Amino acid sequence: SYVLTQPPSVSVAPGKTARITCGGDNIGNKNVHWYQQKPGQAPVLVIYYDTDRPSGIPERFSGSNSAGSNSGNTATLTISRVEAGDEADYYCQVWDSSSDHRVFGGGTKLTVL
Amino acid sequence: QVQLVQSGAEVKKPESSVKVSCKASGGTFNFVIGWVRQVPGQGLEWMGGIMPSFGAANYAQKFQGRLTITADESTSTAYMELSSLRSEDTAVYYCAKETGFSGNGAFDIWGQGTMVTVSS
Repeated sequence: SYVLTQPPSVSVAPGKTARITCGGDNIGNKNVHWYQQKPGQAPVLVIYYDTDRPSGIPERFSGSNSAGSNSGNTATLTISRVEAGDEADYYCQVWDSSSDHRVFGGGTKLTVL
Repeated sequence: QVQLVQSGAEVKKPESSVKVSCKASGGTFNFVIGWVRQVPGQGLEWMGGIMPSFGAANYAQKFQGRLTITADESTSTAYMELSSLRSEDTAVYYCAKETGFSGNGAFDIWGQGTMVTVSS
């Protein structure tokens, strides 16, 4: 089955840029979605189809996804000008077309220092 | 704007079954609904999904044989039934609406979650 790998934690100072990676075999050939989950709340979609942002999500949130030697088959969620309110768990998700299953990464806890 | 409202918390004995409902409102019941669970302190896990108008459900291998996902178009409600419950099934169970119909969509709207506790 398809596996997505995320770092367990990322720390960043307020005002700086946070980058959360999501690795998977040939992930550049898949569409990656990203979710933010705060304690006790349901997940919220923040990026879909690699780079699109739902209405209401700040422009500070952006996504990228590309295969190739430079990126190492990695999708990235970038949060610019990080704020204390961005502290949350973040999950990537793709569709595994071979099984018609949806797959989540293990999640990354973003800590704002 | 579609909203998903789930049934309330459940406490179940081991080996019993639980059935969680997810009622859609504010739009047509014409989208894929997925079920995702989260064991306390752990990550999100996709369990399966259904397209109500098609009827056939799709299940993660881990839950094959124990999980049944159904949908009632007349009431715009989807159901997730998990049987042979064990303590490891203690989790929050979410339903979520998927964008598009190809399987490649994102979960753009989520229910509030239903806590299921399995304890003797």
